[in-house]
Amino acid sequence: SYVLTQPPSVSVAPGQTAKITCGGNNIGDESVHWYQQKPGQAPVLVVYDDSVRPSAIPERFSGSNSGNTATLTISRVEAGDEADYYCQVWDRSGDHPWVFGGGTKLTVL
Amino acid sequence: QVQLVQSGAEAKNPGASMRVSCKASGYTFSNYDINWVRQAPGLGLEWMGWMDPNSGNTGFAQKFRGRLTMTKNTSIDTAYMELNSLRSEDTAVYFCARVKEAFIGATPFDTWGQGTLVTVSS
Repeated sequence: SYVLTQPPSVSVAPGQTAKITCGGNNIGDESVHWYQQKPGQAPVLVVYDDSVRPSAIPERFSGSNSGNTATLTISRVEAGDEADYYCQVWDRSGDHPWVFGGGTKLTVL
Repeated sequence: QVQLVQSGAEAKNPGASMRVSCKASGYTFSNYDINWVRQAPGLGLEWMGWMDPNSGNTGFAQKFRGRLTMTKNTSIDTAYMELNSLRSEDTAVYFCARVKEAFIGATPFDTWGQGTLVTVSS
């Protein structure tokens, strides 16, 4: 089945820009979705279809996808952005349609 | 507002079965696929399967086939996930999640239940 690879951790100072990557074979041909999960809470969709933000999500969150890497970018990082982030794709070719990346812990220094 | 409310935490013995419910409100239950995702302690999200509440059609991840059942009761807008032959590795928080688009399964999960902790231990 399709494999998505994320770095285990990313650290960034407040006010800086965080980039969280999600690698997969020709992932640029897929629609990538991103979730934020804070401790003890359910995940929240923050970007879908590579770069679309749900209405409740701040403009600081953006996404891109090309080649073998999708990227979630968080601008002007705040302490409240500290969370685990997961990428997700629909693997139409496999019998395991939904695939999640392993997750990235974002630490705000 | 759109909401999914799950049943409470459970403790199970190895070999037993578990059933988690997921009650929907704020939208037409039959029109949106429900997926189930679990998260073992300290680990990432693991997709388990999906159900179309309109048709009852289901699809499961390979590792759960034979042990996993998904059903629904449309009269009370509730989906159920049942996992049997439990083992310690099934200890996890189980989430139900609704897809974003009606009648289209391959859309992201825009609404999640609060999660149900199931602990499997003797």
